[in-house]
Amino acid sequence: DAKTTQPTSMDCAEGRAANLPCNHSTISGNEYVYWYRQIHSQGPQYIIHGLKNNETNEMASLIITEDRKSSTLILPHATLRDTAVYYCISGNYGQNFVFGPGTRLSVLP
Amino acid sequence: EADIYQTPRYLVIGTGKKITLECSQTMGHDKMYWYQQDPGMELHLIHYSYGVNSTEKGDLSSESTVSRIRTEHFPLTLESARPSHTSQYLCASSEFGVMSEKLFFGSGTQLSVL
Repeated sequence: DAKTTQPTSMDCAEGRAANLPCNHSTISGNEYVYWYRQIHSQGPQYIIHGLKNNETNEMASLIITEDRKSSTLILPHATLRDTAVYYCISGNYGQNFVFGPGTRLSVLP
Repeated sequence: EADIYQTPRYLVIGTGKKITLECSQTMGHDKMYWYQQDPGMELHLIHYSYGVNSTEKGDLSSESTVSRIRTEHFPLTLESARPSHTSQYLCASSEFGVMSEKLFFGSGTQLSVL
């Protein structure tokens, strides 16, 4: 079973920030939080990951709470091409990654 | 961009046929995986490998088999395809041994068994 929980679906207006939450209340101290997304019929694509600190790259920002029990993926200016299923996964060295059902994000024009 | 390739992209085949789904990566990654995904459903790990001559079964039982003779190549074989094998098969690789392992996925093979 997946070690994270996410909302089943979310909508976001085009051009606005999309904030996708993830709960990982049982995460251990050395486990990272990873985000992937899957656009229809394609293989999942890596977005970002973090351990304790907030992270930002060209695709998104990752905000991890101080207690590390939850995180938020932020797409600062969502476009229609960001419509996808977003997966939040926790894991560490040597573990196999378990994908849950993820959040289906719909970016609306 | 990830350099992991799957062929064929689509495969329609009759019951009882033997099939092999190809997966190759050019990143020198030691660890490779096969996931199975039905439409609108979660990905399930069916096989993985730590390196040459290593193969392990994943969380979801599968009638398929895999081999790892070369680092870059991780084919999946079904000896006798059945309609219940109809699904999307996704191959992935990662750089095993680093603290944070990023998965790189191929585009997938959509298998339809008639």
